Amino acid sequence: QSALTQPASVSGSPGQSISISCTGTSSDVGGYDYVSWYQQHPGKAPKLMIFDVSHRPSGVSNRFSGSKSGNTASLTISGLQAEDEADYYCCSHTNPGHVVFGGGTKLTVL
Amino acid sequence: QVQLVQSGAEVKKPGSSVKVSCKASAGTFSSYAISWVRQAPGQGLEWMGGIIPTLGTANYAQKFQGRVTITADKPTSTAYMELSSLRSEDTAVYYCARGNYDVLTDYSIGDFDYWGQGTLVTVSS
Repeated sequence: QSALTQPASVSGSPGQSISISCTGTSSDVGGYDYVSWYQQHPGKAPKLMIFDVSHRPSGVSNRFSGSKSGNTASLTISGLQAEDEADYYCCSHTNPGHVVFGGGTKLTVL
Repeated sequence: QVQLVQSGAEVKKPGSSVKVSCKASAGTFSSYAISWVRQAPGQGLEWMGGIIPTLGTANYAQKFQGRVTITADKPTSTAYMELSSLRSEDTAVYYCARGNYDVLTDYSIGDFDYWGQGTLVTVSS
């Protein structure tokens, strides 16, 4: 099972909006509404930011949103803040019954 | 308050095995799956496999088939991950994570809402 494809890095200035893409296939991202996104700061465990494509867990800022079109999912962060600087990973359920992560995207807040 | 508490760091010789534990707070095992995810130094997240503790059913990523065993002990709410035939490339932080599963197929689907603190496993001669 190949990892989902994410850009290695994205950047933006405080207050701006950025999007991170996550491209898979019809056997994972395109086949199920089970895409989740995680934020990871250095030396910390990942934190769930979005689940089931577009749902936010309680306590996660509404500046974070998720969507999907075909085999590509996206995480959008609006009103960028310094504390958003971190690594972001997408994740999807796959056929046959496994889970796969993206390679990760490093977000830099300029 | 949901908590997953993992066992401490391990140093292992190539060819040996390691068993990492993940103790869950009360109620965490009910209606959820527990997965194991590893992260090599400077690398991304990699799903190894998962188990539904209430059913005892586990499934594994193809890459680790035959080398990893995931089990769960319901009375103590503890999940275990054992990795055998260790090599230097297995040096990583290993996380347990609570997630959802598809009730029709009993497969993990992701949505990992709680994570353990991570266990560093170093494989070195």
